[in-house]
Amino acid sequence: GQQLNQSPQSMFIQEGEDVSMNCTSSSIFNTWLWYKQDPGEGPVLLIALYKAGELTSNGRLTAQFGITRKDSFLNISASIPSDVGIYFCAGQLQGTYKYIFGTGTRLKVLA
Amino acid sequence: DADVTQTPRNRITKTGKRIMLECSQTKGHDRMYWYRQDPGLGLRLIYYSFDVKDINKGEISDGYSVSRQAQAKFSLSLESAIPNQTALYFCATSASVRRRELFFGEGSRLTVL
Repeated sequence: GQQLNQSPQSMFIQEGEDVSMNCTSSSIFNTWLWYKQDPGEGPVLLIALYKAGELTSNGRLTAQFGITRKDSFLNISASIPSDVGIYFCAGQLQGTYKYIFGTGTRLKVLA
Repeated sequence: DADVTQTPRNRITKTGKRIMLECSQTKGHDRMYWYRQDPGLGLRLIYYSFDVKDINKGEISDGYSVSRQAQAKFSLSLESAIPNQTALYFCATSASVRRRELFFGEGSRLTVL
């Protein structure tokens, strides 16, 4: 089946550093969603993207819908300790109801 | 209060028992989904429903059944639980074809012994 390749799988960074993660696929998507999930909790939607090339920000978070419609990235600027968690992407396949999910990037922030 | 509420949040049961996980939403969305999350794997779709009269199997529906009791309620049942159904289960909702954001509940952690 279709897969989303998300990288990196985990990262340790210093407080104040910027973070970048991305999702890629061989499939074409009409929507990209980025989530943050804390242990034992439900995913919380951070950013939704609907158009190729779209760049959207939510506070210190910025995400872009790749122009090929097969990838997306998420940047977090000036990381803080509460950014710790698992971030994952989801893409809705073009012409379908179906969402495909990345396996997540585990972020740890060192104070 | 959460817009998408799942009960129970945690459940431990034994092999062969029947289990129901319930989901209710106050977002007014027509579309509801049940996903399963396992360590190291992306979320996988069990069942989805686009309205009260519409129920569809997802990629891993074997061993599960669902009921859409109302627009706001969608329950997932395990008729005879087995250990490899131990997982974190999430209910999710979305509004329509145009508004494609997917909103998740807090999750139900199920352990089958």
